[in-house]
Amino acid sequence: QKEVEQNSGPLSVPEGAIASLNCTYSDRVSQSFFWYRQYSGKSPELIMSIYSNGDKEDGRFTAQLNKASQYVSLLIRDSQPSDSATYLCAVNMRSGSARQLTFGSGTQLTVLP
Amino acid sequence: SQTIHQWPATLVQPVGSPLSLECTVEGTSNPNLYWYRQAAGRGLQLLFYSVGIGQISSEVPQNLSASRPQDRQFILSSKKLLLSDSGFYLCAWSPGFTTEQFFGPGTRLTVL
Repeated sequence: QKEVEQNSGPLSVPEGAIASLNCTYSDRVSQSFFWYRQYSGKSPELIMSIYSNGDKEDGRFTAQLNKASQYVSLLIRDSQPSDSATYLCAVNMRSGSARQLTFGSGTQLTVLP
Repeated sequence: SQTIHQWPATLVQPVGSPLSLECTVEGTSNPNLYWYRQAAGRGLQLLFYSVGIGQISSEVPQNLSASRPQDRQFILSSKKLLLSDSGFYLCAWSPGFTTEQFFGPGTRLTVL
């Protein structure tokens, strides 16, 4: 079982719709969760971080965390063609003697004009 | 504000040649530093991380090595490149282990 799982997609939504991206993780004691956006050929860019159960909103982005279900999601409201990218979920998990960010393989989102 | 630099941006190297990729961070002190590799269409693979000068932890045994000669400088090296070393190499920094990481622009390496 992968430690951080995401639907690989591709996910297509029409412009103006809500895009919903999902992520599950295996480490029950994880406390830090992040969403990164990666445009084709570019490096990942941090767009959201969440540490507590519930919702966190930042502009058109809302991150949702449910630690009991080991589930974190990202909602993008009023999706724009410029939101077309791969979205990476990252979870702070134990790796050897330290805790490290473990990344999912990403969900490719296409917003259709 | 903090800035992270990587160079070169792109590199084409023959099999068996050496490699040196450099990463520097500005605007912070004593950062955690990381090297990742992203193969085409794949996720991020953590290669090395460092919590201080001269301190390197390897996550995956392979053809590569890393060094941290200065607080804000991280170098990825190889003595002899393999075809399988091709990929997008990303350097990242973080203030600590439980915090977010910030990525540099990356180096795209093609080994022929």
